[in-house]
Amino acid sequence: DAGITQSPRHKVTETGTPVTLRCHQTENHRYMYWYRQDPGHGLRLIHYSYGVKDTDKGEVSDGYSVSRSKTEDFLLTLESATSSQTSVYFCAISGGGTGELFFGEGSRLTVL
Amino acid sequence: KNQVEQSPQSLIILEGKNCTLQCNYTVSPFSNLRWYKQDTGRGPVSLTIMTFSENTKSNGRYTATLDADTKQSSLHITASQLSDSASYICVVSGGYNFNKFYFGSGTKLNVKP
Repeated sequence: DAGITQSPRHKVTETGTPVTLRCHQTENHRYMYWYRQDPGHGLRLIHYSYGVKDTDKGEVSDGYSVSRSKTEDFLLTLESATSSQTSVYFCAISGGGTGELFFGEGSRLTVL
Repeated sequence: KNQVEQSPQSLIILEGKNCTLQCNYTVSPFSNLRWYKQDTGRGPVSLTIMTFSENTKSNGRYTATLDADTKQSSLHITASQLSDSASYICVVSGGYNFNKFYFGSGTKLNVKP
């Protein structure tokens, strides 16, 4: 299994509070991604990173920001959580010649 | 528009039976196609990955096929087991950045005893 750790795995918070999800990898892969998964939708890209301090927006980036200060860590921040951000968030990593894509175990966020 | 469509959305089969899941895509240019298995409450795990030149690839009881001309793929599960109950996700990478991935909405398979 690829070395990807997400934290926290479960979080319940209230509308308007800030939330940060962390993704940590031990594979030294260049690319890191944050996705959200909701019923009726496939995995949707929020933000991704192609190197330290290099990030870009995905298709559902509104209300989210990211940071990558080290190769191994990719943080997803909800500055002011809303109920529409209740979801399961997955971190993924990719790199190497095969472009294999590995997923973390997910972080379930509930915004009340 | 780059899209990945999967069918059926859900499927119920009896243990021991075979089934086939479908994936159609419009991603161009195409790099590779993967099938993932996602157990409830877990992250997706890769089953197979196929490039343009590969027509079929097996992983135990899972066999994936790819027709790059018609842009169709299938995942065939042989002699299903209760542990096969999961969602199966088709993922295509391509466009002009091989690190960009397009996801299907998945097929939810329920294997009943």
